[in-house]
Amino acid sequence: AQKITQTQPGMFVQEKEAVTLDCTYDTSDQSYGLFWYKQPSSGEMIFLIYQGSYDEQNATEGRYSLNFQKARKSANLVISASQLGDSAMYFCAMRETGAAGNKLTFGGGTRVLVKP
Amino acid sequence: ETGVTQTPRHLVMGMTNKKSLKCEQHLGHNAMYWYKQSAKKPLELMFVYSLEERVENNSVPSRFSPECPNSSHLFLHLHTLQPEDSALYLCASSQDRGQMNTEAFFGQGTRLTVV
Repeated sequence: AQKITQTQPGMFVQEKEAVTLDCTYDTSDQSYGLFWYKQPSSGEMIFLIYQGSYDEQNATEGRYSLNFQKARKSANLVISASQLGDSAMYFCAMRETGAAGNKLTFGGGTRVLVKP
Repeated sequence: ETGVTQTPRHLVMGMTNKKSLKCEQHLGHNAMYWYKQSAKKPLELMFVYSLEERVENNSVPSRFSPECPNSSHLFLHLHTLQPEDSALYLCASSQDRGQMNTEAFFGQGTRLTVV
């Protein structure tokens, strides 16, 4: 079974509008971390935002915010005021307790295309 | 230079060739990783090195051989690959402090095509 599920393979969003990217995860650990990465066409994975399982408040980082619903095991990324440069692949990832090093398990990704 | 640098950016090799991918990090991190990104599949963790010791090998075929001579450099040696090995190979590094919030920093990847 997949540990990280991103159900939206691709999305269009109008420039300046907000977009929500879905991510659900599966773990039996109490302590874990959730990450979102952006991958533009250049290939590099760019870290966007982090949410710890014990964090009581939703993480925010500039135009990025994470809608963390622990009971539902979801960690959706919200991008506000979309810009053309936001067009990219977006990956949700999870790190679990006891994982050797910084082992991140990734979802399948969502491709976002921002329309002018 | 800063960050994580991978060379070459693109590589085309025949199935009988031997080649190596190189990764170098200038962040002072103590852990490095190889990921494989194939079309329509999630990123797959291949190898993890922490403090220059391999700590994870996710059932990767022996035609892929990693080497970590020091904490700043990571290689992936390739030999007798198959066409299905064509993918984007991403290197990453992190400072492993045993904490959950440690993000990984990625290179731009090597686009490998096996012909």
